[in-house]
Amino acid sequence: AQSVSQHNHHVILSEAASLELGCNYSYGGTVNLFWYVQYPGQHLQLLLKYFSGDPLVKGIKGFEAEFIKSKFSFNLRKPSVQWSDTAEYFCAVKTGGFKTIFGAGTRLFVKA
Amino acid sequence: DTGVSQDPRHKITKRGQNVTFRCDPISEHNRLYWYRQTLGQGPEFLTYFQNEAQLEKSRLLSDRFSAERPKGSFSTLEIQRTEQGDSAMYLCASSPLNTEAFFGQGTRLTVV
Repeated sequence: AQSVSQHNHHVILSEAASLELGCNYSYGGTVNLFWYVQYPGQHLQLLLKYFSGDPLVKGIKGFEAEFIKSKFSFNLRKPSVQWSDTAEYFCAVKTGGFKTIFGAGTRLFVKA
Repeated sequence: DTGVSQDPRHKITKRGQNVTFRCDPISEHNRLYWYRQTLGQGPEFLTYFQNEAQLEKSRLLSDRFSAERPKGSFSTLEIQRTEQGDSAMYLCASSPLNTEAFFGQGTRLTVV
């Protein structure tokens, strides 16, 4: 069965620190990849997505992610985090056309 | 607000009672999904509609759960004879063909 693994459940950073959140998936076929973010009290929102083409994807708010097919990975990065980036981040994979499978999430806390 | 709308936002019910949740997707989206999210986990897929047709149900969806989308627009999720283990956030999402899913705020169910 397909699965998504996020490496860290909790991350604490100071403002201006760099961020990298790991995500690996298990599926050998074609995938669409996503990172969603959930700010406190808000609904899940799309941060960025990869469908095809350039494996380095840029999203909103300065986030980017790199798809490395050989490693089944789609890690999320941001060079300098802000206090407002405090949220929960979910990596997700869509296979077979419609079902999106989510990782367990990573809670990021950015200290001001 | 033209996003995905869910009602109610919160529901507290006694064990053994039936509950029904409603989801109004984004109007032009023909795909509709239900997910369940518990504390510390990512959203888990429950079921999927394309227009009015329910095309897949997760094995997480026991016989006590039923979902409908009678006219291909709004959808309802009913849980019969609720159990404490049903306590969770129930998320609805919608999408056009082959793009990311847009999520609602969710309905938080507490079974006491």
